[in-house]
Amino acid sequence: EILMTQSPATLSLSPGERATLSCRASQSVGSNLAWYQQKPGQSPSLLIYGASTRATGIPARFSGSGSGTEFSLTISSLQSEDFAVYYCQQYNNWPMYTFGQGTKLEIK
Amino acid sequence: EVQLVESGGGLVEPGGSLRVSCAASGIKFIDAWMTWVRQAPGEGLEWVGRIKSKGGGETTDYAAPVKGRFTISRDDSQSTVYLQMNSLKPEDTAVYYCTTVSSVANPVFGNWGQGVLVTVSS
Repeated sequence: EILMTQSPATLSLSPGERATLSCRASQSVGSNLAWYQQKPGQSPSLLIYGASTRATGIPARFSGSGSGTEFSLTISSLQSEDFAVYYCQQYNNWPMYTFGQGTKLEIK
Repeated sequence: EVQLVESGGGLVEPGGSLRVSCAASGIKFIDAWMTWVRQAPGEGLEWVGRIKSKGGGETTDYAAPVKGRFTISRDDSQSTVYLQMNSLKPEDTAVYYCTTVSSVANPVFGNWGQGVLVTVSS
């Protein structure tokens, strides 16, 4: 099983600041990495796939990068609606998908 | 607009069974590959299983913790996917989401339902 590790567990920032979230895979997943956002009380939604491709309707302030085992999600200038929990997911070994444990992005 | 609506959740005793459903609209369901993902209270996301389309042989795959106990099926005439859960354990307590698989090229979870809560407790 490919293990996904996200850091930090919690990130406290202010609106307008830049956020960088990290995700590490226990073995190479190529570019088969997705990011999901889950707002409180809501279902998750797809943000990024292929490590760096934004899903339909996702604002340009969200960007993904990385390949192999190291990935990051960057939010260039935080908006109030961006405070949520973010999960990375590998699908290199699909259908045996695995998720990271999540990073909670909270308002400082 | 794609809509996935889960139903059938509830309270069940350990060792019991439950079937949850997911009705889809706004997609060509007959070609859709569908998955189930769960989220225990206060925890992260865990993939449960997947079913391919009829054209893909309706092949199913399951995560290790549920293999042999859970079964995914589909009824294309009703645009509905099912998750039959048997021999339920307290650790199966979670919100269960159905999702679509975006494509074979990018098999990510493009659309999610609102989720249905399954509680396993005596």
